[in-house]
Amino acid sequence: AQKVTQAQTEISVVEKEDVTLDCVYETRDTTYYLFWYKQPPSGELVFLIRRNSFDEQNEISGRYSWNFQKSTSSFNFTITASQVVDSAVYFCALSEAGDMRFGAGTRLTVKP
Amino acid sequence: SAVISQKPSRDICQRGTSLTIQCQVDSQVTMMFWYRQQPGQSLTLIATANQGSEATYESGFVIDKFPISRPNLTFSTLTVSNMSPEDSSIYLCSVVVDRVNTEAFFGQGTRLTVV
Repeated sequence: AQKVTQAQTEISVVEKEDVTLDCVYETRDTTYYLFWYKQPPSGELVFLIRRNSFDEQNEISGRYSWNFQKSTSSFNFTITASQVVDSAVYFCALSEAGDMRFGAGTRLTVKP
Repeated sequence: SAVISQKPSRDICQRGTSLTIQCQVDSQVTMMFWYRQQPGQSLTLIATANQGSEATYESGFVIDKFPISRPNLTFSTLTVSNMSPEDSSIYLCSVVVDRVNTEAFFGQGTRLTVV
C-alpha cells in the first residue's frame, strides 16, 4: 500500500532562514513517482517537482532543492533564504500508476 | 501538458440536493481522477474515472454518493449526491496525459459549501 508521511504539521520561520520540509513514503512498487506541490492561501495547487524512483539525483531550482534518498524512503524539500511569499501549505505525494497519494501537508509560515 | 477547465468554480447548495461538477480537458488524456480536499485537510483520492466503464472507487467512497461519468477521453463529471454539510470541500479533477509521462495536472477545483 502507498503511504506518504509529512510529520511536520506546521513550521514557522523568519524571513531569510533556510527551512526543510520532510517527506517519508511507503510503497511496494519499484517504479513510482514523487511530487511536491505548493498550495498558497488562494487555494490552487502549484506543481513544484516530480521525481521518478530511478533518479536519485538531487535537484536544485533557484532557492528550492530536493533530496531524494531511497535508502530511507525520503524526499525532503529545502527552501533556502525563505521569503514571505513562500508561506503556504506544501504537499508531498506519491504515484505508482497516475493516482496520487498525498501527505497531510506542512503549513509553512514565513514571518518578515 | 494539459489545460483543465473545471466547472463550477464554486457553489453553495442546500442539503439534500445534488451537484454535478464538470472537468473538461483540452486534449485527450489517458487517466482522469477526482480528489476531495476537506477544509484544512490534504487531498484524498475519490476515484479513477474510467472511459466507457464504471469508475474505480477508493475505500470510503461509493458510487451512489459520488457517481462519476467519463464518456470520452477529454471529459468527466463527478456528482455529489444528497449533500450534507460534511460534503463541504474542494473537489479537484486531475489528469495524466499518458502512461509514460505520468505528470499529473490539476484543475482549479470546485469549492462546494453545503448549507
